[in-house]
Amino acid sequence: AQSVTQLDSHVSVSEGTPVLLRCNYSSSYSPSLFWYVQHPNKGLQLLLKYTSAATLVKGINGFEAEFKKSETSFHLTKPSAHMSDAAEYFCVVGGATNKLIFGTGTLLAVQP
Amino acid sequence: EADIYQTPRYLVIGTGKKITLECSQTMGHDKMYWYQQDPGMELHLIHYSYGVNSTEKGDLSSESTVSRIRTEHFPLTLESARPSHTSQYLCASSERWGLNTEAFFGQGTRLTVV
Repeated sequence: AQSVTQLDSHVSVSEGTPVLLRCNYSSSYSPSLFWYVQHPNKGLQLLLKYTSAATLVKGINGFEAEFKKSETSFHLTKPSAHMSDAAEYFCVVGGATNKLIFGTGTLLAVQP
Repeated sequence: EADIYQTPRYLVIGTGKKITLECSQTMGHDKMYWYQQDPGMELHLIHYSYGVNSTEKGDLSSESTVSRIRTEHFPLTLESARPSHTSQYLCASSERWGLNTEAFFGQGTRLTVV
């Protein structure tokens, strides 16, 4: 069975400071992992995905994530937060039969 | 920009009415999905399809039904809407094979049953 756990339901940072959104996964085989972002009243947009080609994955808008097999983690980071980064972020694991299993989401607030 | 469209974006409807939420994609993807999302909550898979004439129940039980007569079209129907169906419904699609293929999402339909 596969599952994903987002360790923080809310994260608040100041504009210009680093962002860290934490995600741990459980998978019986080599997982596929994604981060999606959802802005208010919008659909989900893919930020980045792990394809096993490289453990450090770069995504859009300056975000990146590092796959750490030993820690079963796939944390999302950004060096400097922007006001427009305020949104809900979902860590997702590709499940059996290609189903996507979503975490509970982390709401990122960016303070001016 | 993903080419997957949902209509309507917002719908307020009375209890007992029959409704159909539309979802169409122009990417030729075989796999399509419906997710239900309550405010501030995670997404729950309620239906998915591997291709034409294929429909499967998802992880969360739902009173809705789906059909897949054409590759590009995956409508969701509620025969008799109830207030408990109030939620946001998100449609998605992806290429069929490969664990590393991401899903593309529509903008969602926010349904309110009064």
